Amino acid sequence: GEDVEQSLFLSVREGDSSVINCTYTDSSSTYLYWYKQEPGAGLQLLTYIFSNMDMKQDQRLTVLLNKKDKHLSLRIADTQTGDSAIYFCAEIAGNQFYFGTGTSLTVIP
Amino acid sequence: DAGITQSPRYKITETGRQVTLMCHQTWSHSYMFWYRQDLGHGLRLIYYSAAADITDKGEVPDGYVVSRSKTENFPLTLESATRSQTSVYFCASSELNEKLFFGSGTQLSVL
Repeated sequence: GEDVEQSLFLSVREGDSSVINCTYTDSSSTYLYWYKQEPGAGLQLLTYIFSNMDMKQDQRLTVLLNKKDKHLSLRIADTQTGDSAIYFCAEIAGNQFYFGTGTSLTVIP
Repeated sequence: DAGITQSPRYKITETGRQVTLMCHQTWSHSYMFWYRQDLGHGLRLIYYSAAADITDKGEVPDGYVVSRSKTENFPLTLESATRSQTSVYFCASSELNEKLFFGSGTQLSVL
């Protein structure tokens, strides 16, 4: 399978920006995704980006894609306590989805 | 407008018993997937299905059986449950190369 890597933990103070990073391996991926998982819940699609885009902005969320380095990032502006969750990046290759192990974001009030 | 629903939400069973986890989606998505989520392993694909009556193995299929007689249903059966199958199980659906949508999960404990 494909390797999708993320750091495991991130802590930020409320009101600061959070940046969650991800590296992936399949350069032919058409979409790359960010999912959010709150405790005891399923994964919720947060945002996604087409592989031919460099950036996508959606309210407080900014996704940056560097195809050359196969690097994806999710920036959350003005991070709130409700943003505390596990964030997964995922790529799709051959209609198989490959997920990173997730980054646990803790927001400190 | 339920989307994708899983049942039961929680299940406790004993080793050796057969258990079936249910998954139902209302979008008529072609693709359906079963994942298990374990600490330290992230999400691992158990089985997937591209259409009714078409299923294929994922990364960790041993000990599991699936069927897909109707597009909207994709049950997962543990034929003889083992403690190592204690996990949170997620069903998901999508169209070809489109976004993946997840159910709320089934937390299974095998004693």
